[in-house]
Order: sequence, then structure tokens, then C-alpha cells
Amino acid sequence: GAVVSQHPSRVICKSGTSVKIECRSLDFQATTMFWYRQFPKQSLMLMATSNEGSKATYEQGVEKDKFLINHASLTLSTLTVTSAHPEDSSFYICSATDYRGPDTQYFGPGTRLTVL
Amino acid sequence: AQSVTQLDSHVSVSEGTPVLLRCNYSSSYSPSLFWYVQHPNKGLQLLLKYTSAATLVKGINGFEAEFKKSETSFHLTKPSAHMSDAAEYFCVVSVLRGNEKLTFGTGTRLTIIP
Repeated sequence: GAVVSQHPSRVICKSGTSVKIECRSLDFQATTMFWYRQFPKQSLMLMATSNEGSKATYEQGVEKDKFLINHASLTLSTLTVTSAHPEDSSFYICSATDYRGPDTQYFGPGTRLTVL
Repeated sequence: AQSVTQLDSHVSVSEGTPVLLRCNYSSSYSPSLFWYVQHPNKGLQLLLKYTSAATLVKGINGFEAEFKKSETSFHLTKPSAHMSDAAEYFCVVSVLRGNEKLTFGTGTRLTIIP
């Protein structure tokens, strides 16, 4: 149980385009979802926290107009990187918590974004 | 404020020998502590967690960790390393109940020597 999926697993796009990444909780209802960014050989940096039906809370330094987060249902959150640039290239990972065990986050497999 | 320090960025052990990955934490409140493993280009998998119950926590794949409040440590151990254990390991702390933010350590890369 507690499986989180992400789609796509890998995406390459041209500079200036927008990219949408989906995060789904497959076998549980996710009360909260989190989006992280991971640079090569570094740890995870939290970008934002989202609860179903409400606006996401962004961490300091994260541009909310550039990284749009939508949490439309208890099983789906999306991250849209708008007007992507090469410096946005990174590994993006989502996680979700279950109301039964809110102290534990379950992580998706990640999405590798490369902006040319 | 909370923080976590992983004392070794890289650990190498021979297959079949014990594994020790060190982690120290700092928090103003009673923490929840986690160890996650990440294989190359993959997401994170929860190995084990401590949430104020038994101080010796057993996880998956033969790993365990002991919470030592006096030493503010939460070291990860395994009696006998397997080749499949080669990965990046993250020690993580959370100080509040509910959907609170996690603070990640910088990670320890574990290499297994055949």
C-alpha cells in the first residue's frame, strides 16, 4: 500500500515552453501533497505544500507564478513549470501523506526534467 | 528550528560486513525521525521511522536504527551488507505531528564492495 506515481518519468522540452508533471496516490487518499526539487548529488529541497482544494504554500524563494501547483482531488496534484529555462532542469519528486498516518510521507519515483 | 547532520557523505563496506550510517539531529521539540533510501534516478523509499515509541526501530531489508536522545543520534545499521544495498540514504527529521515539513540530511552514498 501507499503507492505514489508520477508522470512522466522523464521529459525534455525547449526553453520557453511549459511542462506539466502529475503526481497520483494510487491506493490511498492524500490529504497533503508535497513537491520537492533535487539537484545532482544533493538532497531534496521542499518547493511547496498543497492540500486538496486549497492554494499551495510555497517555500521562501520559490516563484509561485513559475511553478504552478494544482491539487484538484485527493489523489492528484500537478506541478506546471511555466516558461521553462535550462536552469529549471532538475529532478522533481512529489510525496503524499495519508490521513491515517500523517507523520509519514510516501514518495513518487520522480520526474527528470531537461530544458534545452 | 530543526536540523539533521549526516556525518559521512560516502561509506564503503564489503559485502557481508556490517553497515553503519551516522545521523545526528537537532530540534526544539520531540522529533519524528526517518531513514529513506534512494536508488539512482528513483524516488525515495521509507526504510524505517521513529515516532516516540520504542527507541530501537526495525525497518525493511534488515535495517534498524536506534534513537538515542542523550546523544541526539539516530544511526542506521545493518548486520550484513548486500550488493543491492548500494544507494543514497537520507536521514530526515520532523518535529510536529500532522503534515509538517521534513528536513533532510545531505545524504550518505553507500557503496558495497564485492
